[in-house]
Amino acid sequence: DAGVTQSPTHLIKTRGQQVTLRCSPKSGHDTVSWYQQALGQGPQFIFQYYEEEERQRGNFPDRFSGHQFPNYSSELNVNALLLGDSALYLCASSLASDEKLFFGSGTQLSVL
Amino acid sequence: GQQLNQSPQSMFIQEGEDVSMNCTSSSIFNTWLWYKQDPGEGPVLLIALYKAGELTSNGRLTAQFGITRKDSFLNISASIPSDVGIYFCAGLRYAGNMLTFGGGTRLMVKP
Repeated sequence: DAGVTQSPTHLIKTRGQQVTLRCSPKSGHDTVSWYQQALGQGPQFIFQYYEEEERQRGNFPDRFSGHQFPNYSSELNVNALLLGDSALYLCASSLASDEKLFFGSGTQLSVL
Repeated sequence: GQQLNQSPQSMFIQEGEDVSMNCTSSSIFNTWLWYKQDPGEGPVLLIALYKAGELTSNGRLTAQFGITRKDSFLNISASIPSDVGIYFCAGLRYAGNMLTFGGGTRLMVKP
């Protein structure tokens, strides 16, 4: 049973570029959440997708957008990258009715 | 963004010692989760707590849900080198809601 998988594992971009990160949830899970983890800090909630719609959103600008596909997989898009967007981006999956979230290994994004 | 207050920030202990860490909040949470994160990896769920006062164990790990619902505690008994990592607490108001994380406790174990 595959857990949460994310791709790519590492990515290097320059300021102003756009990036797309991908996530496949744990088998049987229908909800995908995205978190940003800066170095030395705890993860911060970006947004959550359920039934292909954004259900909740944290305090992140509109440059951060996402999508959920019918197979429950998800993408995180970030436009007009800033140096401060450099972080580990974590995807977590869960069942809508369950409190437990399971995380992938993350995508390490570096913006130069 | 809002974070839970987690302490201590770091601990350097001898193998075999017991470890305690805690997490406090100004807000009430209905579920507390404890995660461990190794370098270059995502957080791995260790223990989930669902009721105020609940005490739950997972091997050498024991966690408690505070009576006020504003705090939680994690204890590790007889630490071993593979316990090294960063431990995060996370609070959840209801299923499907966002997780609010603490700043983490970095644990280092000297063999």
